Amino acid sequence: AQSVTQPDIHITVSEGASLELRCNYSYGATPYLFWYVQSPGQGLQLLLKYFSGDTLVQGIKGFEAEFKRSQSSFNLRKPSVHWSDAAEYFCAVVPGYSSASKIIFGSGTRLSIRP
Amino acid sequence: DAGVTQSPTHLIKTRGQHVTLRCSPISGHKSVSWYQQVLGQGPQFIFQYYEKEERGRGNFPDRFSARQFPNYSSELNVNALLLGDSALYLCASSATQGTFRSETQYFGPGTRLLVL
Repeated sequence: AQSVTQPDIHITVSEGASLELRCNYSYGATPYLFWYVQSPGQGLQLLLKYFSGDTLVQGIKGFEAEFKRSQSSFNLRKPSVHWSDAAEYFCAVVPGYSSASKIIFGSGTRLSIRP
Repeated sequence: DAGVTQSPTHLIKTRGQHVTLRCSPISGHKSVSWYQQVLGQGPQFIFQYYEKEERGRGNFPDRFSARQFPNYSSELNVNALLLGDSALYLCASSATQGTFRSETQYFGPGTRLLVL
């Protein structure tokens, strides 16, 4: 079955430390990949997306993600987190076979920042 | 520029009632999608509409329906509400240039529905 897995439910990092949030997907073909962030009480904001080409994608707010086909992964990274990065992060895909913008989301990783 | 707007922001209903949620897309966007986000989970796709026609449907019962108007705004209707329908309902719009898969979707703040 098609799925997006975010194995870490909750992660806490110190302010200024590096961050990596994991994401794995299960599709036969290359999907369209996204990372969204959701602050408390807010809608979803797109951080970055991967469709094709360079497997290292730069996004907003200093985030980047790397697509690794061999590992079916699309992990999100940031070299130095800020307290304002505390939020829920969702990895998402649009299957390559989809005829609609049907985004399939993972269950999310909640990021807490330790002062 | 105004982003995606949704109304109302919060809503309380009782089981068996009907609810209508509204969404206005970003100006110039012709596609609207609806998602349900149950507490502690990621959003789940309900519908996508483009040019007033249903483009995609998720795995939701027929109690859920939607439509899109000539001005591209949209309504999501849910009949015979169940306790399990309590969730944040998100609307997203996209410009749509014909390749739906690659469209960036912009999300509104959502409508939080509580069913008692």
